[in-house]
Amino acid sequence: SYELTQPPSVSVSPGQTATITCSGDKLGDKYASWYQQKPGQSPVLVIYQDAKRPSGIPERFSGSNSGNTATLTISGTQAIDEADYYCQAWDSRGVFGTGTKVTVL
Amino acid sequence: EVQLVESGGGLVQPGGSLRLSCAASGFIFSTYWMHWVRQAPGKGLVWVSRINRDGSSTTYADSVKGRFTISRDNAKNTLYLQMNSLRAEDTAVYYCVRESVEVTVDLDYWGQGTLVTVSS
Repeated sequence: SYELTQPPSVSVSPGQTATITCSGDKLGDKYASWYQQKPGQSPVLVIYQDAKRPSGIPERFSGSNSGNTATLTISGTQAIDEADYYCQAWDSRGVFGTGTKVTVL
Repeated sequence: EVQLVESGGGLVQPGGSLRLSCAASGFIFSTYWMHWVRQAPGKGLVWVSRINRDGSSTTYADSVKGRFTISRDNAKNTLYLQMNSLRAEDTAVYYCVRESVEVTVDLDYWGQGTLVTVSS
């Protein structure tokens, strides 16, 4: 079955750039989405079709996808961005990444 | 405003059954594909199942295939998940999720989730 791998944690200072990777076999041939989940809350879609932002998602969130890796970038990270982030793709079935906890120090 | 409200969770013994419901409002339910996604306590998101607009096509994760059945009633704007032969590892919060209208499988609205606990 298809698998997506993310680093367990990423730490970033306020105002700096957080980069979260998502690795999967030929992931660049598929579309990747990204979800943000804060403690006790439901996930929220922050990036779809590799790089598009839904309405209401701040411009500091951006995405890319090429080769075997999709990347979520948070520019000018704020304390409110502290959350778990999951990538997701479709490979005849839904697949989520292992999740990355972003800590804003 | 799009709303997805799950219900039906609770405590069930191993081998038992449970039916989850998801009441949808704020959008034309019959025009969207829908999903169930679960999350075990302290763990990550796991995709469970997907159903097309009229309920004629369904897909399941290998871990639940043959035990769970997804269905919908477009007249009632409601999504269901019938769960049979439940196991301890099925313990999780179950989310009802709407798939976006884009050609890609993006999940744009999530319910608040309902907790299913499988334990004796």
